[in-house]
Amino acid sequence: EAQVTQNPRYLITVTGKKLTVTCSQNMNHEYMSWYRQDPGLGLRQIYYSMNVEVTDKGDVPEGYKVSRKEKRNFPLILESPSPNQTSLYFCASSLLGRINSPLHFGNGTRLTVT
Amino acid sequence: AQTVTQSQPEMSVQEAETVTLSCTYDTSESDYYLFWYKQPPSRQMILVIRQEAYKQQNATENRFSVNFQKAAKSFSLKISDSQLGDAAMYFCAYRRAFGNQFYFGTGTSLTVIP
Repeated sequence: EAQVTQNPRYLITVTGKKLTVTCSQNMNHEYMSWYRQDPGLGLRQIYYSMNVEVTDKGDVPEGYKVSRKEKRNFPLILESPSPNQTSLYFCASSLLGRINSPLHFGNGTRLTVT
Repeated sequence: AQTVTQSQPEMSVQEAETVTLSCTYDTSESDYYLFWYKQPPSRQMILVIRQEAYKQQNATENRFSVNFQKAAKSFSLKISDSQLGDAAMYFCAYRRAFGNQFYFGTGTSLTVIP
């Protein structure tokens, strides 16, 4: 089944404790992206990647890191989480170069930083 | 950067009635793609419908249709014969032809009244 797998689904952590949210897709998509969803703000892009070893900042990259060592994986790293990073996070992927290709989303990660 | 505006944070509709959700966007590009996504309480992001900017004909998917007005930069979603399962947050999204970036609106929460 074609899907984007994102883990964990829920995560509660404390300020400053490094964490990683994993994302993997099995559709051979070049484009992968991370979003955070906050009430009233919609989905805001954190980072995106157009291919292996190619990543770029989105609209809200501060406090986040990503890596794209393999085409299928695109983990999101919070080196020192803070309470303002409490949010719902989505990983998504799409074909590159075909603008009719929609974003395929993971099931989201609800992160709480205390 | 492109901006996508959904001016209705909340909407409600009586079951079996028709509702229209509005979306406008700001762009200087001529080629792009537009999408509507549905996010039910399960928080899964589900593609509802998509529209190419170069197609004048409005897209239709069963009970869902769009009213695409390119000159006005408007992309509204019409849901006919509303069902309880249509209750969700709806997001409008814009995809650039160059750069492949996606931009999302802030969402409209739709309530379906039995």
